[in-house]
Amino acid sequence: GQQLNQSPQSMFIQEGEDVSMNCTSSSIFNTWLWYKQDPGEGPVLLIALYKAGELTSNGRLTAQFGITRKDSFLNISASIPSDVGIYFCAGRPTSGQSAGNMLTFGGGTRLMVKP
Amino acid sequence: GAGVSQTPSNKVTEKGKYVELRCDPISGHTALYWYRQSLGQGPEFLIYFQGTGAADDSGLPNDRFFAVRPEGSVSTLKIQRTERGDSAVYLCASAPMRENTEAFFGQGTRLTVV
Repeated sequence: GQQLNQSPQSMFIQEGEDVSMNCTSSSIFNTWLWYKQDPGEGPVLLIALYKAGELTSNGRLTAQFGITRKDSFLNISASIPSDVGIYFCAGRPTSGQSAGNMLTFGGGTRLMVKP
Repeated sequence: GAGVSQTPSNKVTEKGKYVELRCDPISGHTALYWYRQSLGQGPEFLIYFQGTGAADDSGLPNDRFFAVRPEGSVSTLKIQRTERGDSAVYLCASAPMRENTEAFFGQGTRLTVV
C-alpha cells in the first residue's frame, strides 16, 4: 500500500545532539501526525498538526506542517537515551476526526542514541 | 483498563488455520480501526468501524480477512486459511468522535504463521 517517504531510515547520534527527520508525500495531506513506537508497543502520538504552516512543540519535540501540505518534519532537541525508538509520520487527507482516522504511515525512522 | 487492550499478545498458527484477534477499545469510543504492521514498516490501514458498522473496509487485503463489531464495543479480526505472508503485528486503535481527537493504539497482536 501507499506509504509516505520518511527519512532518514535510521540515525545513530550522540546524547545531547539535536535530531531532525522528515516526511514527504506526492499527495496533499490536511493532517500530519508524529508517533513514537517502542518495542512490543503500539504507536504513541507525539504531535498533531492540522494547519498548513503550523509549528507545534511538545517539550523537546517540535514539528512543522509544510506549507505545500506535502511534507512535515520533526525535530528533537538535546536527545537523551529514552528517545531511542522508532518514529513514524502519518498523514490523513482530510481534516479533523469526523471523516475517519484512516492514516497513511511513513516507513519509520529508527533512532539510536549513544550514551 | 484505561487503554486499548488486544488479545492475545502473540499468536503462532500453522498455515491454513483460522485465527481470531480481539480488540477491547477504550470505553465510550465509537470509532475503531485495525491496522497491520509488517516487520520494518509503518502500520497499514485495514478497516474502520463507526459503531457496529464497517464504515470503510478498503484496506482488507482479500476475502480471507473479515472483522466484526457486533455490539459497537469489542471487535474481532478474523483471518481464514492463514498464509505465511499474513505474519505481522495487528494493531487496533479507538477514538471518540470529536474534532481533531486522534485515536489511541493498543499494543498489538503479533501473528506468526508457520
